[in-house]
Amino acid sequence: EVQLVESGGGLVKPGGSLRLSCAASGFTFSDAWMSWVRQAPGKGLEWVGRIKSKASGGPIDYATPVKGRFTISRDDSKNTLYLQMNSLKTEDTAVYYCTWDGMNWFALWGQGTLVTVSS
Amino acid sequence: DIQMTQSPSSLSASVGDRLTITCRASQSISTYLNWYQQKPGKAPKLLIYSASSLRSGVPSRFSGSGSGTDFTLTVSTLQPEDFATYYCQQSYSPPLTFGGGTKVEIK
Repeated sequence: EVQLVESGGGLVKPGGSLRLSCAASGFTFSDAWMSWVRQAPGKGLEWVGRIKSKASGGPIDYATPVKGRFTISRDDSKNTLYLQMNSLKTEDTAVYYCTWDGMNWFALWGQGTLVTVSS
Repeated sequence: DIQMTQSPSSLSASVGDRLTITCRASQSISTYLNWYQQKPGKAPKLLIYSASSLRSGVPSRFSGSGSGTDFTLTVSTLQPEDFATYYCQQSYSPPLTFGGGTKVEIK
């Protein structure tokens, strides 16, 4: 079955760190471009960043609000995507989705994992 | 950054109605425009890609059109399962950006 499963969400204090994981299955993960998209409670969708396949190369792209604080990485041997989030702010509170960013559209989404930043 | 503006932000409609949602980009994005549907508590689902291509498995009552800066999502005959929030998204250049969403409610 083709699917993405996120994990690692939870409650963290402002200024803290958290690492999200996304396990992929059912497709050739090493060839896939992958993105993180988030959604604050009751709000719209916001793209967080994208990592290309190793074969494609190129920089990892980030949205301005997270640049310098968040890092996207991948382990193709484990079919897993990561989002390291540092210096978290209350405005980072959201459901975080990983997506298969294939062929210029988000073809597959995980179920999401909730990150709550609060003291 | 490319700004995506959707209208309306919400609407009420009845089963059987024809629905049209518009999305405008702040600069030309050719046909690098996608549409998603999201239901409460669920992840978004891709409906239309490259402005007008219907994703496999999506009912043919959904259609998309447009190029450049102006785009439209049309639902020819609204069904009960179509009441949801719809988002447009540009994939022309990073940062990839979404429209603010259109919530479609039952009248």
